[in-house]
Amino acid sequence: GAGVSQSPRYKVAKRGQDVALRCDPISGHVSLFWYQQALGQGPEFLTYFQNEAQLDKSGLPSDRFFAERPEGSVSTLKIQRTQQEDSAVYLCAAGDTQYFGPGTRLTVL
Amino acid sequence: AQSVTQLDSHVSVSEGTPVLLRCNYSSSYSPSLFWYVQHPNKGLQLLLKYTSAATLVKGINGFEAEFKKSETSFHLTKPSAHMSDAAEYFCVSSGTASKLTFGTGTRLQVTL
Repeated sequence: GAGVSQSPRYKVAKRGQDVALRCDPISGHVSLFWYQQALGQGPEFLTYFQNEAQLDKSGLPSDRFFAERPEGSVSTLKIQRTQQEDSAVYLCAAGDTQYFGPGTRLTVL
Repeated sequence: AQSVTQLDSHVSVSEGTPVLLRCNYSSSYSPSLFWYVQHPNKGLQLLLKYTSAATLVKGINGFEAEFKKSETSFHLTKPSAHMSDAAEYFCVSSGTASKLTFGTGTRLQVTL
């Protein structure tokens, strides 16, 4: 919706691998959010950017999770040494009204 | 802290009958409240939002919600269900810096 794209749409990783998930808010929104949605659950907040500044990362579950938005547009969520409990859909939202992208479904085997 | 409670995990209605999805909120101040819909394998779509301008909020696809402060409720309604309304619905509150807090979701089933 409203020009938020995410890639890849699906990612399968072996436990211990590093992954990088991309969010591209095509319309250039100032605010950008990442959420994690486990199977059968509602999305949960991970982190928030305003332009390139990461203003809130209180939802990141561990130090294996890292997010960046170096030029204030595209954002990358990186997960190091993936674990099975990281399996979820990772959602990106942009703008004050929070238009959501389609999500990346991560499966860790 | 803000939170929302969706009272039903699953609701089933017949096509053409009214829809009621219940949500209560908990907040120490006047919250911003939203309803989002998530169709299978599709992204979250904003149905409507309440930001204190009017207690009855009209959204897309014939949905509306009424903010009732006395009952701390923000229930979602639609007069007549359509098969295409079958989806997961989330009641959501917004706190500081627009961070969204989602309810656990209500799966709406529409039968013929």
